[in-house]
Amino acid sequence: DTAVSQTPKYLVTQMGNDKSIKCEQNLGHDTMYWYKQDSKKFLKIMFSYNNKELIINETVPNRFSPKSPDKAHLNLHINSLELGDSAVYFCASSLGGNSYEQYFGPGTRLTVT
Amino acid sequence: EDQVTQSPEALRLQEGESSSLNCSYTVSGLRGLFWYRQDPGKGPEFLFTLYSAGEEKEKERLKATLTKKESFLHITAPKPEDSATYLCAVQGTGGFKTIFGAGTRLFVKA
Repeated sequence: DTAVSQTPKYLVTQMGNDKSIKCEQNLGHDTMYWYKQDSKKFLKIMFSYNNKELIINETVPNRFSPKSPDKAHLNLHINSLELGDSAVYFCASSLGGNSYEQYFGPGTRLTVT
Repeated sequence: EDQVTQSPEALRLQEGESSSLNCSYTVSGLRGLFWYRQDPGKGPEFLFTLYSAGEEKEKERLKATLTKKESFLHITAPKPEDSATYLCAVQGTGGFKTIFGAGTRLFVKA
């Protein structure tokens, strides 16, 4: 059984389009995250939700909007895509409380042309 | 500001040649230091959490140690399947963010 899943795995789109990436976790965790990994492999936090409440909102263009319909799902919507948005986006989850280790999904490789 | 620096950037070992990866960190109050393994095309996989200086954790050929400024990931008698990027991360008590280092790419040759 997949613990943290993301769809799609690959996304190729043109500049100016709007796209969404979906994430689901079946671990029963309270906290979910979106990370961006650029071409230099640096993992950088974008957003985090705890029980559907936004707790981390890094300096990210407001073209990026996370949505958490319930604590098992965290989706990422991106408007007006730009070339610089090309990266691998990872969803992750953690139990919450005093447990901080994170479990990552397989990633979504976004290519903007 | 919380910061994590990993060295070396890349490490090439022969099978059976033990070595260590370094993670230097700066954090205002350590909540936890984490080690992850990332294989090409996959998400990071959790390995260890260390909470306080002097703590050690082991898993198969890997052993993680922690001081007040550094963590080491010791790899004993590595095998080619240990080849991956190893990521170090910290979470401070000042917030909920986890800060990742750039990683060490480990290559183990048979």
